[in-house]
Amino acid sequence: ILNVEQSPQSLHVQEGDSTNFTCSFPSSNFYALHWYRWETAKSPEALFVMTLNGDEKKKGRISATLNTKEGYSYLYIKGSQPEDSATYLCAHRTDRGSTLGRLYFGRGTQLTVWP
Amino acid sequence: KAGVTQTPRYLIKTRGQQVTLSCSPISGHRSVSWYQQTPGQGLQFLFEYFSETQRNKGNFPGRFSGRQFSNSRSEMNVSTLELGDSALYLCASTPDRVDTGELFFGEGSRLTVL
Repeated sequence: ILNVEQSPQSLHVQEGDSTNFTCSFPSSNFYALHWYRWETAKSPEALFVMTLNGDEKKKGRISATLNTKEGYSYLYIKGSQPEDSATYLCAHRTDRGSTLGRLYFGRGTQLTVWP
Repeated sequence: KAGVTQTPRYLIKTRGQQVTLSCSPISGHRSVSWYQQTPGQGLQFLFEYFSETQRNKGNFPGRFSGRQFSNSRSEMNVSTLELGDSALYLCASTPDRVDTGELFFGEGSRLTVL
């Protein structure tokens, strides 16, 4: 069983605050790190998939970094808005090639942004 | 393009019964995987199917099974239901591209076992 840890478990911020979350994962046999955003009553949606050490990805006000040597990834949200309220999941994949679907998920960080 | 569709969305069963959940992937996706989420736990991998073949299976008892049809639609079955099987079951489909492996999820089937 691969342990993917996310912190904090929950976070409450005011609109306009910037925030960040951490995902730690085993650094051996790394293949990819995924971030998903999961709003209540909806389906999880992929934010980023990162594969290379030092990767930095950005989508609007959200960005992520990856350090595969030490086994962590950060997700940053700049100027949080109420619509950013969701659970943010990270997931680690070691397989390559034949098994595309298996990911090891953390328990998520639940973000609430107050107006 | 239609997303991943799961049916039923909600269902209530009693202990000892069995249940079948259905998943229709995004058109053109041939890989379907299933995950279970219980309160306080992260998504736990159940199994993955590709071209009607199970390629990977998580650490769940044999009461959990699945299959995939030639049109890529998938079903999972849980027999002899236990209270602990109450959970949200998510299905995800994957494009065939190896480089991303991004999962496209359905909204889930919420099973309550009484």
